[in-house]
Amino acid sequence: GAGVSQTPSNKVTEKGKYVELRCDPISGHTALYWYRQSLGQGPEFLIYFQGTGAADDSGLPNDRFFAVRPEGSVSTLKIQRTERGDSAVYLCASSPTGAGGTDTQYFGPGTRLTVL
Amino acid sequence: AQSVTQLGSHVSVSEGALVLLRCNYSSSVPPYLFWYVQYPNQGLQLLLKYTTGATLVKGINGFEAEFKKSETSFHLTKPSAHMSDAAEYFCAVSDRPGNTGKLIFGQGTTLQVKP
Repeated sequence: GAGVSQTPSNKVTEKGKYVELRCDPISGHTALYWYRQSLGQGPEFLIYFQGTGAADDSGLPNDRFFAVRPEGSVSTLKIQRTERGDSAVYLCASSPTGAGGTDTQYFGPGTRLTVL
Repeated sequence: AQSVTQLGSHVSVSEGALVLLRCNYSSSVPPYLFWYVQYPNQGLQLLLKYTTGATLVKGINGFEAEFKKSETSFHLTKPSAHMSDAAEYFCAVSDRPGNTGKLIFGQGTTLQVKP
C-alpha cells in the first residue's frame, strides 16, 4: 500500500514569504506527527494530531508556525514570514492510533525547505 | 524530561565486521525505545522497538538491540555488516507519561561500511 507522502519534495523561498507543506498519511491512520530535522541533527517534534485536533503543539517554535488537519487525513504545515533559520527538512509521520506511545510511526521522505 | 544520547556521530566498520551503535537514554519512567534508519533521500524506517517484555529485541535486516535498565542503554548491534547498511541511524524514546507517541530523537550516527 501507499506510504506517507509529502509535497513538495523541495521548496525554495525568500525570507519573509509564506509557505505551505503538505502531508498525506497512510490511509486509516488517526495519528499524524510533524518533525523538523536540521542539518546534522535528529528530528525534533513539532506537533501531533489525533484525528482532526492538534493534541500536542508544544514543539512549534513560535506563532509563525501553524498546522491543520481539517478532515482527519491530509495535513498542512504553514509557516508565515519565513526566516533563514527555518531552513530544514520537515518530516511527517503517521501511526495507526498514536495512543499509548508504542505505535510504529511511518515517515514520509520529507520536504526540504530552503529560505534564502 | 526524557532525552537520548548517541555516542559517536560517525562509525566506520569493514564489511563483515560487527556493528555497534551506542544509545543511552534518560527517563524517569519505564521508557519505550526505538531505532530508526534513514537512507539518503528516504524517510526514516523502523528497525526495532522495545516497549515491554523481552529485553533483547530483534529487528529487520539482522539488527538487534538490548534494553539494559541498569545502564540506561539501548545499543544497536549487527554481527556482520553489509555495504547496504551504510546509512544514518537514530535512537529515539517515546514521550511518557503523556503517551502521545511523540518521539525524542538522538542526534544520529552515520554508519560507514568499508569494502
